[in-house]
Amino acid sequence: DTAVSQTPKYLVTQMGNDKSIKCEQNLGHDTMYWYKQDSKKFLKIMFSYNNKELIINETVPNRFSPKSPDKAHLNLHINSLELGDSAVYFCASSQPRPGGWNTEAFFGQGTRLTVV
Amino acid sequence: GEDVEQSLFLSVREGDSSVINCTYTDSSSTYLYWYKQEPGAGLQLLTYIFSNMDMKQDQRLTVLLNKKDKHLSLRIADTQTGDSAIYFCAEDSSASKIIFGSGTRLSIRP
Repeated sequence: DTAVSQTPKYLVTQMGNDKSIKCEQNLGHDTMYWYKQDSKKFLKIMFSYNNKELIINETVPNRFSPKSPDKAHLNLHINSLELGDSAVYFCASSQPRPGGWNTEAFFGQGTRLTVV
Repeated sequence: GEDVEQSLFLSVREGDSSVINCTYTDSSSTYLYWYKQEPGAGLQLLTYIFSNMDMKQDQRLTVLLNKKDKHLSLRIADTQTGDSAIYFCAEDSSASKIIFGSGTRLSIRP
């Protein structure tokens, strides 16, 4: 029973298209994240949601729009895809602790996005 | 700023110990983590240490924390070929987010 699942696993699309990646967690966590891993394997946080509310929005183009219909889901929609958007996108979830910190993050398997 | 730094590459001989080092910036981080990423896979939590601890041992893994220097290390004893992966250090920053280092690619030579 997968804890954090993302779909699709692979996504190949043309420049200028709009695409979505879906993420679901069954851990009952309140916090969900999107991370981008580039070709050098650097892992950068993009967004963080806590109980459906956006709490972190790093310097990400506004072509990227996360949507959280409920606390178990955090989807990522990307408009007008560009070549530089090619990367692996990871969804993760964690549970806030008192004091503002979080438990360890559980990751999905990643979505490899290739823009051609 | 927020930066977690690691060296990018480490090569060790099979059977030797591997030591992966990390420095972090947020002195108020309560938890520090080590994640492992195998090729084509997501990140899996290997181990973590609470900030009031100096050391944690878990089978072949030993984590050392020097809070004064904000230095974290992961030692893997008796390194095996299955340990080949990228290892990420991460801190649970006070900004309510988990910040990752650049990852250290561990390769094993026979």
